[in-house]
Amino acid sequence: EDQVTQSPEALRLQEGESSSLNCSYTVSGLRGLFWYRQDPGKGPEFLFTLYSAGEEKEKERLKATLTKKESFLHITAPKPEDSATYLCAVQGRGSSGGSYIPTFGRGTSLIVHP
Amino acid sequence: DVKVTQSSRYLVKRTGEKVFLECVQDMDHENMFWYRQDPGLGLRLIYFSYDVKMKEKGDIPEGYSVSREKKERFSLILESASTNQTSMYLCASSLFRTKGNEQFFGPGTRLTVL
Repeated sequence: EDQVTQSPEALRLQEGESSSLNCSYTVSGLRGLFWYRQDPGKGPEFLFTLYSAGEEKEKERLKATLTKKESFLHITAPKPEDSATYLCAVQGRGSSGGSYIPTFGRGTSLIVHP
Repeated sequence: DVKVTQSSRYLVKRTGEKVFLECVQDMDHENMFWYRQDPGLGLRLIYFSYDVKMKEKGDIPEGYSVSREKKERFSLILESASTNQTSMYLCASSLFRTKGNEQFFGPGTRLTVL
């Protein structure tokens, strides 16, 4: 069974204070690891897909990295508008070869104070 | 841009009522999903569909049913609403059945059952 654990559950930063969010996972045959951003009362918004260890993706102040056991979402010089819940999900090979069902972590709630 | 729309942002229903939540995606995606999201419990998969007229149970299907008569439309039905079905309901779609690919979420429906 695929599993995803995100830490910390909540993180408070001052504007400009860089940090990282962690996503630890176990999966049978990784097909993809995904990061999403979710604002309160809204649906998750896709950020990145990572497919193999060593891969990195960047978007503005966010950078996602992947190893064989975990992924990090690095936030450089965050701003208050980066405040949101960040969700991690993995998609594995699946028991019957199909792999369209992702497993989500509980998320990290990030608050950036001005 | 992929767009996933949901029929209502907010709904208030009474116990015992039959409730229909509709979801439409405009990018010819194969897969569609219904989740509910509750504080502290994360995203929980109710049902998913990988093709027209095909459906499979997720982690918490009890009390729900679904319908997919057209590729772009996936409906969630609460046969007899109960107060423990008060929640945020999220629809999502993804392109391929067997390749790792991201999900695109709708804005969510906040359902309150009185």
